[in-house]
Amino acid sequence: QQQVKQSPQSLIVQKGGISIINCAYENTAFDYFPWYQQFPGKGPALLIAIRPDVSEKKEGRFTISFNKSAKQFSLHIMDSQPGDSATYFCAASMTGNEKLTFGTGTRLTIIP
Amino acid sequence: DTAVSQTPKYLVTQMGNDKSIKCEQNLGHDTMYWYKQDSKKFLKIMFSYNNKELIINETVPNRFSPKSPDKAHLNLHINSLELGDSAVYFCASSQVAGSARAFFGQGTRLTVV
Repeated sequence: QQQVKQSPQSLIVQKGGISIINCAYENTAFDYFPWYQQFPGKGPALLIAIRPDVSEKKEGRFTISFNKSAKQFSLHIMDSQPGDSATYFCAASMTGNEKLTFGTGTRLTIIP
Repeated sequence: DTAVSQTPKYLVTQMGNDKSIKCEQNLGHDTMYWYKQDSKKFLKIMFSYNNKELIINETVPNRFSPKSPDKAHLNLHINSLELGDSAVYFCASSQVAGSARAFFGQGTRLTVV
């Protein structure tokens, strides 16, 4: 049972464009939704995270949009750069149980 | 300063062998984890320890045994290695209370031949 569904599996965006990755969750007990960025040969690194009491969080070029009623959240990367090329994972966890349930990952490629 | 460090980075071994992966964190976190990333990049938790006590044990063969000698260390021992154990294993740590932000190590690529 895949509790966090992520799409698309891969994404190609032109430099300067907007990259959008979507996730949907099933468990309404989830209350923390981070996005992780992973470069080849490296471990995942926290990029940005949101809790369900807000609908949007922005940090630099990265924005999370959160829709609690639809149980969906998405990552937007504005002005995408070649250095953003990586695999992105959404995840979810709940207070008191700190394990992360990951989405299946999106391989993002930014082309010049 | 490396926050979460794992050794070795690469491990190639034959089927049936026993091997260990070591992990150390210098963040003062209470909770440590082992995650497995398969060939399709899917990340799944295996174990979680809080202050040296096992709190999460997902459906993992009992050939896998984590050991936490102290709060800063969580090692993973694997007995009778099988071809299907080939994967990248990540150690991570986080504070139990607060943001639940998890810091990951660089991973150990295990190849069983």
